[in-house]
Order: sequence, then structure tokens, then C-alpha cells
Amino acid sequence: GENVEQHPSTLSVQEGDSAVIKCTYSDSASNYFPWYKQELGKRPQLIIDIRSNVGEKKDQRIAVTLNKTAKHFSLHITETQPEDSAVYFCAASYRNQGYSTLTFGKGTMLLVSP
Amino acid sequence: DVKVTQSSRYLVKRTGEKVFLECVQDMDHENMFWYRQDPGLGLRLIYFSYDVKMKEKGDIPEGYSVSREKKERFSLILESASTNQTSMYLCASRPITGMREKLFFGSGTQLSVL
Repeated sequence: GENVEQHPSTLSVQEGDSAVIKCTYSDSASNYFPWYKQELGKRPQLIIDIRSNVGEKKDQRIAVTLNKTAKHFSLHITETQPEDSAVYFCAASYRNQGYSTLTFGKGTMLLVSP
Repeated sequence: DVKVTQSSRYLVKRTGEKVFLECVQDMDHENMFWYRQDPGLGLRLIYFSYDVKMKEKGDIPEGYSVSREKKERFSLILESASTNQTSMYLCASRPITGMREKLFFGSGTQLSVL
């Protein structure tokens, strides 16, 4: 199956700084890479995703980049705010019994200090 | 808004008990999933179902079974609960058309097995 490695496990930044979270995957057939944000005590929610035919995607202060050759993708958050504090999970699609499922990374706890 | 409802937020059970975790979604989604979330391990797929009465094993199915008799309901069953099944359990659903890849999560059930 797919293996997704995520780094760092924790990340502390000052408000206004940028934050970068990196993930690598093992299955070259993976073609979909979402990022989920989970605030404390809440459910994970999709914040951005990218498909393998695109190298970069932006949505306001967040962006995701994908390097298919190296099998890694990254989440970039600019001008961080305290409300960005959460656990972020990357994921990669893979085929399980012929069906598309997601393998998640272990998560990055981002803390943004005012 | 899609609503994925898990019947219990917190559950305490004894070792050896049979445990049912229930999940209901109200958006007619074909696909449903059960994940468990443990600190430092991220989200791991237990079982998934692509349609009514259909089920497939995920990455960590041992000790679990599932039931999907109706499209909107997906149940996770622990036949004989053990302490190593103490965890946060997250249900998710996904349509097969439109936003095909986006997972909609429930708010989770924190299960403690004593």
C-alpha cells in the first residue's frame, strides 16, 4: 500500500511568519493529494488539494506544491495567524482492492504565537 | 451542508464487551469510511464501504468488523473490545460524483476500553 511521511511533527511560528509542512509518498500511481486541518476538538476539514497534473495551487494564504518526480508535496501558509493553529494532515490517494482510498500522514501540529 | 453524525461523542466500555459505533450521513453519499486517530499515528483506515452491503478492509482491520445495511448508515463493530482499541474513531463519507474526492468527517467518538 501507500506510505506517506510528514514532517515536521510540530511547528511553532510567530504570527505573520510563513509555515511549510512537507510530505513524501511512495506509490507513483497516486494522483490526488489533499490537506486536512483539524482544530482542537473538531473534525478534520479539507483546506486544499492538488491533482498530479498540476504543479502548484493557491487559495489566498495557503498553497500546495507537488513534485511528482521526487514524490513529495508541501503545504505553504503565508502571513500566519493564531487561528491557523491546528493539526494539519497530508494524504495521498491509492487503489485499495480497486477502489480509491486515502493514506494520511501522521500530522503536524502548528502553533502560531501572537 | 453535509452532515455526518456519530452517535456517541464519548464511550467507555469494558474489555471483552461487544461495541457498536454508529455513523449516519444525510447527503446520499455512496462511500463511507471508518478511521481511527491516535496521537503521533495520524488517521488510519479500518474499513470502508463503496455501496450498500459492500465492505472492504482498510489498513488495520484486525479486531473490527462493519455493517452497511442502508446507504446512510455505516456501523463499526468491535466484537470483543480490548484496551489497545482505546482511540478516537472518525467516520467519513464521500460522494462518487461532484466533489468526488473530498471526505466529510463526523465529529468522532472517543472510545475508552477499561
